[in-house]
Amino acid sequence: QKEVEQNSGPLSVPEGAIASLNCTYSDRGSQSFFWYRQYSGKSPELIMSIYSNGDKEDGRFTAQLNKASQYVSLLIRDSQPSDSATYLCAVTGGGNKLTFGTGTQLKVEL
Amino acid sequence: GAVVSQHPSWVICKSGTSVKIECRSLDFQATTMFWYRQFPKQSLMLMATSNEGSKATYEQGVEKDKFLINHASLTLSTLTVTSAHPEDSSFYICSARDLRAGGPNGELFFGEGSRLTVL
Repeated sequence: QKEVEQNSGPLSVPEGAIASLNCTYSDRGSQSFFWYRQYSGKSPELIMSIYSNGDKEDGRFTAQLNKASQYVSLLIRDSQPSDSATYLCAVTGGGNKLTFGTGTQLKVEL
Repeated sequence: GAVVSQHPSWVICKSGTSVKIECRSLDFQATTMFWYRQFPKQSLMLMATSNEGSKATYEQGVEKDKFLINHASLTLSTLTVTSAHPEDSSFYICSARDLRAGGPNGELFFGEGSRLTVL
């Protein structure tokens, strides 16, 4: 079992719709959870961080964390073509090491 | 967020030569920096953890003698790819942890990445 799992996609959503990205992790001791956005040929950019159960909203982005179920999700409201990118879920577990999922490719279509 | 700068952004070299990549934290001090490698259509793979003033910690399967890491100050870490070969061609990305940011472990910010092509 991979430490951090994501559906590779591509996930296609129409412009203006809600995009829902999911991630599961295996280490129950994980404390910090992050979503990064990576455009092709560029380095990852931090979008959201979440540390406690529940929802955290920042503009069009909402991160959701459920430690009991070991999943974290990212919702993007009013999706725009500029949101088209690969979204990486990352989890900090034992040893303070950040582990990345393989990423989900999102395509927002006009 | 915090600013991490990486240089050069791209480099082309001949097989057998060595290439040095610099990673700087511009507005914060980083006792720990991380070096990742990313092949096309794959996720980031941690190569090593760079510790200021001490030896780097390498991940399993990463050759210490090939990928030399030096973290001489709180704002600079360097990665040297020695005797580079075509299979070393990849996107190398550094990151630094900003402990001032939220959460128990701070937040990780990435440099712009360095694309290495070995001919």
